[in-house]
Amino acid sequence: NAGVMQNPRHLVRRRGQEARLRCSPMKGHSHVYWYRQLPEEGLKFMVYLQKENIIDESGMPKERFSAEFPKEGPSILRIQQVVRGDSAAYFCASSPPGQGKVGTEAFFGQGTRLTVV
Amino acid sequence: GNSVTQMEGPVTLSEEAFLTINCTYTATGYPSLFWYVQYPGEGLQLLLKATKADDKGSNKGFEATYRKETTSFHLEKGSVQVSDSAVYFCALSRGGATNKLIFGTGTLLAVQP
Repeated sequence: NAGVMQNPRHLVRRRGQEARLRCSPMKGHSHVYWYRQLPEEGLKFMVYLQKENIIDESGMPKERFSAEFPKEGPSILRIQQVVRGDSAAYFCASSPPGQGKVGTEAFFGQGTRLTVV
Repeated sequence: GNSVTQMEGPVTLSEEAFLTINCTYTATGYPSLFWYVQYPGEGLQLLLKATKADDKGSNKGFEATYRKETTSFHLEKGSVQVSDSAVYFCALSRGGATNKLIFGTGTLLAVQP
């Protein structure tokens, strides 16, 4: 009964490269959230997806960042042309269908720690 | 807008001491409130939650009561252990179409033997 799986756990990229972060939600979960945790800060919402649909991307930077959750396979958070300020921990969370119900719990992965050098 | 404010850390306590971590929120309507815990190098785990005023969430000896009159959700534990050392995040959710979480900045708790 695997939880939310994220890979890689650690990712090092040089400035200007692309970073791809993967998230496989818990079995039976169809809702995926991405959060970013900058050093010494709390988690900030980035994007919420359901299968093949972006529902809320109000927390995504306007440029270089994109996310998808295809019909088959994991959710991908893609950062193009990374800069040092993108260095952070990126966490994925999933929740079951009917997640709009008040108090529904989100289950978090262990995160991907991105370091841009 | 919606926001969460929690006391800054680090909080350093001796084993078996009493713990309080303050959390207040700003939100329209009736949010759900959560405490998440993050152990070193790990993701977040739900510690407890409350979905309506005067509800008390509890788990592993931790408790928090949803106080609408003071817009607070303070975390308490009567006797902390070294294994409780972690970062604690207070969060709220409005439910609805997105149900995203809005987090406080986290409070680092260090418990010394």
